[in-house]
Amino acid sequence: EVQLVESGGGLVQPGGSLRLSCVVSGFTFRSYWMHWVRQVPGKGLEWVSRINTEGGSIIYADSVKGRFTISRDNAKNTLYLQMNSLRAEDTAIYYCARDINYNQADQWGQGTLVTVSS
Amino acid sequence: QSALTQPASVSGSPGQSITISCIGTSSDVGSYDYVSWYQQYPGKAPKLMIYDVSKWPSGVSNRFSGSKSGNTASLTISGLQAEDEGDYYCGSFTSRHTYVFGTGTRVTV
Repeated sequence: EVQLVESGGGLVQPGGSLRLSCVVSGFTFRSYWMHWVRQVPGKGLEWVSRINTEGGSIIYADSVKGRFTISRDNAKNTLYLQMNSLRAEDTAIYYCARDINYNQADQWGQGTLVTVSS
Repeated sequence: QSALTQPASVSGSPGQSITISCIGTSSDVGSYDYVSWYQQYPGKAPKLMIYDVSKWPSGVSNRFSGSKSGNTASLTISGLQAEDEGDYYCGSFTSRHTYVFGTGTRVTV
């Protein structure tokens, strides 16, 4: 069974940092590109970032470029999102997702909530 | 990158068919056959229902079908069932190699 489990969310002050993790199982992690997608509770989906299989090709949404860093550890079957200089508008549920092709995602985690507030 | 435009809500009776539109631009929907549709229930993660405009992932009912014409993609749900009630999002690959989602549509049965 394919599983993606996010963790690391929580309450952080504006300007602070947080690192999210996504541990996967049930598939060969190193063979798939991966994504982070976020959703403000009650609002729509926003694509955040994508990383290729070896981490050599990375792309970000303009809204997080320069502040967020996506990475992966294929030996640990884990995807990461380092979030710095957090703003109130970064408050959202963050999902990791597996790429099927051209940034379309076929498997999703359950999400982890990040709240940026003083 | 602006979100793709979807109607806020669509409703139908059980057994009917409904269609949700997804309007993009020549930089996304109009240029690539990498349009997908996701279903989301409240408090749950999105589920892929259609990819590559009209392909079904394993396990998805063929009551769901996708199409595209120009800058507009569409999702049709045939034989509407109570379990189809939820939020639906389209998404598209873009010319900047990013991904853009639609604004979302609430389907009511």
